[in-house]
Amino acid sequence: SAVISQKPSRDICQRGTSLTIQCQVDSQVTMMFWYRQQPGQSLTLIATANQGSEATYESGFVIDKFPISRPNLTFSTLTVSNMSPEDSSIYLCSVEGGRERTEAFFGQGTRLTVV
Amino acid sequence: AQKVTQAQTEISVVEKEDVTLDCVYETRDTTYYLFWYKQPPSGELVFLIRRNSFDEQNEISGRYSWNFQKSTSSFNFTITASQVVDSAVYFCALSEASQGGKLIFGQGTELSVKP
Repeated sequence: SAVISQKPSRDICQRGTSLTIQCQVDSQVTMMFWYRQQPGQSLTLIATANQGSEATYESGFVIDKFPISRPNLTFSTLTVSNMSPEDSSIYLCSVEGGRERTEAFFGQGTRLTVV
Repeated sequence: AQKVTQAQTEISVVEKEDVTLDCVYETRDTTYYLFWYKQPPSGELVFLIRRNSFDEQNEISGRYSWNFQKSTSSFNFTITASQVVDSAVYFCALSEASQGGKLIFGQGTELSVKP
């Protein structure tokens, strides 16, 4: 299994500011995924990040709001830009892994509160 | 289109009762994977099980068991002799082979086990 370290674990931010979340994996992975979990809701995929290419965003999510970097095979960042209270969520990083790359491992999440 | 439905939003049981969490999925792929995750109040996602579409054998792990039935597109999860520590939100998720580690989550079932 992959070990994923996500930072920060939580933060309280002022509206209008930006926060960058880091995701570090202990092994090289091709695909990394960023999810959002709004309060009391399920997880929704924001984007898929492959090393060396632009991230692929899901419907309803745009690069200007959630820019993603993927500089190498073990690291990625997600930035939440120009935050509003509606961005208050848990943000989770995930990587594929396991046999035939069919398992999904998650970081511990970043609990973001925007005030 | 792929979809996961967890019709039970909340379930409340008394300790030592058995409880079954339902999960129904939709997919057009012939190769896919089904997952269950546990999310305690701390927020992290704890992996419980992964099944592939070619393996309908039921699985038991301690007090946990899973019933996978392709004929009804269901992947139900039973906890036997529930304990207070089982209280959490449980998510069922689907991954299609063509999508790598990208997961589609159900809405989650909040299980409350009372002493």
